[in-house]
Amino acid sequence: ETGVTQSPTHLIKTRGQQVTLRCSSQSGHNTVSWYQQALGQGPQFIFQYYREEENGRGNFPPRFSGLQFPNYSSELNVNALELDDSALYLCASSAAGKNTEAFFGQGTRLTVV
Amino acid sequence: AQRVTQPEKLLSVFKGAPVELKCNYSYSGSPELFWYVQYSRQRLQLLLRHISRESIKGFTADLNKGETSFHLKKPFAQEEDSAMYYCALYSSNTGKLIFGQGTTLQVKP
Repeated sequence: ETGVTQSPTHLIKTRGQQVTLRCSSQSGHNTVSWYQQALGQGPQFIFQYYREEENGRGNFPPRFSGLQFPNYSSELNVNALELDDSALYLCASSAAGKNTEAFFGQGTRLTVV
Repeated sequence: AQRVTQPEKLLSVFKGAPVELKCNYSYSGSPELFWYVQYSRQRLQLLLRHISRESIKGFTADLNKGETSFHLKKPFAQEEDSAMYYCALYSSNTGKLIFGQGTTLQVKP
């Protein structure tokens, strides 16, 4: 068991709504990355948080935003949902100095209707 | 451009047959490459990384900088190897993993 947990596991939202996804990182990990995985595709990097600051961002619009808390847990917020936002959202945590050893959560399946 | 390409969406082999999952990358600089695996109903997990030069579950992968490839190989496939395999490149200037589209390995009995 890797210890990265995400909630909720599944979610259905209506176009235009806002959504918040949550991630608890593995104990001892202070870096959290979020990925979007569309059906049939590999995960795409959204952004990364390190010590509560955004530390890198992929090619996603500003309506994708995030937070990291003092306990290193994290949230992904998406505003003005679009149908194409329907995907599996993955959270990955890693330890300081070991950014490349990422441990993934089970993901949140978001469906936008 | 930083990119990872896995040309095969599906690879189907019989048990005991050799397996090679292809991965090519594009990266300026010294690449760090990984293979991740996702078994049915399980989370994505690290299988191996090139700097470790290790064999995990009988799989090996050699980085070929001349061919910009990092193919995953196993001499004798087992049914339990059936899964989705992703090749990934670590981008040190952004801290992100760049994934390929994935290859489904199906090992038939």
